[in-house]
Amino acid sequence: ETGVTQSPTHLIKTRGQQVTLRCSSQSGHNTVSWYQQALGQGPQFIFQYYREEENGRGNFPPRFSGLQFPNYSSELNVNALELDDSALYLCASSPGQTSGANVLTFGAGSRLTVL
Amino acid sequence: GENVEQHPSTLSVQEGDSAVIKCTYSDSASNYFPWYKQELGKRPQLIIDIRSNVGEKKDQRIAVTLNKTAKHFSLHITETQPEDSAVYFCAASRGTSYDKVIFGPGTSLSVIP
Repeated sequence: ETGVTQSPTHLIKTRGQQVTLRCSSQSGHNTVSWYQQALGQGPQFIFQYYREEENGRGNFPPRFSGLQFPNYSSELNVNALELDDSALYLCASSPGQTSGANVLTFGAGSRLTVL
Repeated sequence: GENVEQHPSTLSVQEGDSAVIKCTYSDSASNYFPWYKQELGKRPQLIIDIRSNVGEKKDQRIAVTLNKTAKHFSLHITETQPEDSAVYFCAASRGTSYDKVIFGPGTSLSVIP
């Protein structure tokens, strides 16, 4: 059984650029959630994807967007990067079934630095 | 919107003592309450969770209690060890399929040998 994998692990961008982060869900999981974790804070919910559609969104502007693919992997795209977007971006997959639907398994994260 | 608060933000205990972390939540429809441990530079990992049909759950040295009426839940760690040092996050969710999980701000626990 493979876990949740994310890429890239680290990246540096400049203000105004765009970034794409990728996530492969754990085997058997069909739901992917994305979180932003600023230094010293808890994970903040960005959005969740199920069956290739956004299924819930947190308090993030439209320049944060995502995709889910038929194999349940997912991308997070952020346009017009701002300095405050610097954070660890965590992907978490879950079974998406009645039993254990919300049990999240996290990836190691992508550390984004915006200069 | 939904909110989860957590106290204290930092906690320091002597090895062998107990540690207690408390959380409150705002969404009365929440019925799933997981706890995650995040060691420095690592991913959050689930250590225990509880659903609203029970008031307490225990797993070796860790236990979680839930008071739905008061909308608060707590993590108890007994006989703390240095390897328990980490940041602990509580979270809440409605627990229905595909519902989002909202996290608290975290508690940094230090266990002093």
